[in-house]
Amino acid sequence: NAGVTQTPKFQVLKTGQSMTLQCAQDMNHEYMSWYRQDPGMGLRLIHYSVGAGITDQGEVPNGYNVSRSTTEDFPLRLLSAAPSQTSVYFCASMIPGANVLTFGAGSRLTVL
Amino acid sequence: TQLLEQSPQFLSIQEGENLTVYCNSSSVFSSLQWYRQEPGEGPVLLVTVVTGGEVKKLKRLTFQFGDARKDSSLHITAAQTGDTGLYLCAANSGGSNYKLTFGKGTLLTVNP
Repeated sequence: NAGVTQTPKFQVLKTGQSMTLQCAQDMNHEYMSWYRQDPGMGLRLIHYSVGAGITDQGEVPNGYNVSRSTTEDFPLRLLSAAPSQTSVYFCASMIPGANVLTFGAGSRLTVL
Repeated sequence: TQLLEQSPQFLSIQEGENLTVYCNSSSVFSSLQWYRQEPGEGPVLLVTVVTGGEVKKLKRLTFQFGDARKDSSLHITAAQTGDTGLYLCAANSGGSNYKLTFGKGTLLTVNP
């Protein structure tokens, strides 16, 4: 059982480039989310989804897009990367109502 | 958004010492969770506390939920180097069953 898998683990982008961070879970969790973690700021919620076809904004959604076409996958898209998006990104999933998040190992993104 | 304040922000101790870290808020929570995050990994759930005044023990770790369900503490007895990590508290925000808000964490270093 792989849990939550994130790719890539490391990525360097130039300002203005686009990319997608991938997240997949094999636990059949309906709820999936993306957080970013910055020094001194803790974990902040970017976007979340309560099921296929349903997404909503979190605390810091600007500059990021998401979609949820399947239960398993929840990609995070950066359309035009900015240095302020340099961060470590975590994908997490859970069974609604269980309030227990299972996290991936993270993706470290640097935008030059 | 309900703010979770964690203290201290940093804590460095010697192996064998005891320590307590805190998670405080002005809001009342239906439940509160503690996670531990090791370098290069995602957070992993340690415990969920639900009832005001509740005390849960996990080997050398003791978790307490305040009577008013606004605060929580984590006490570690006889700390070991393996306890080193970032300790995060989290709770549901804005009445949502899905949106977990995290504190900024306490970074614990246990020196041999």
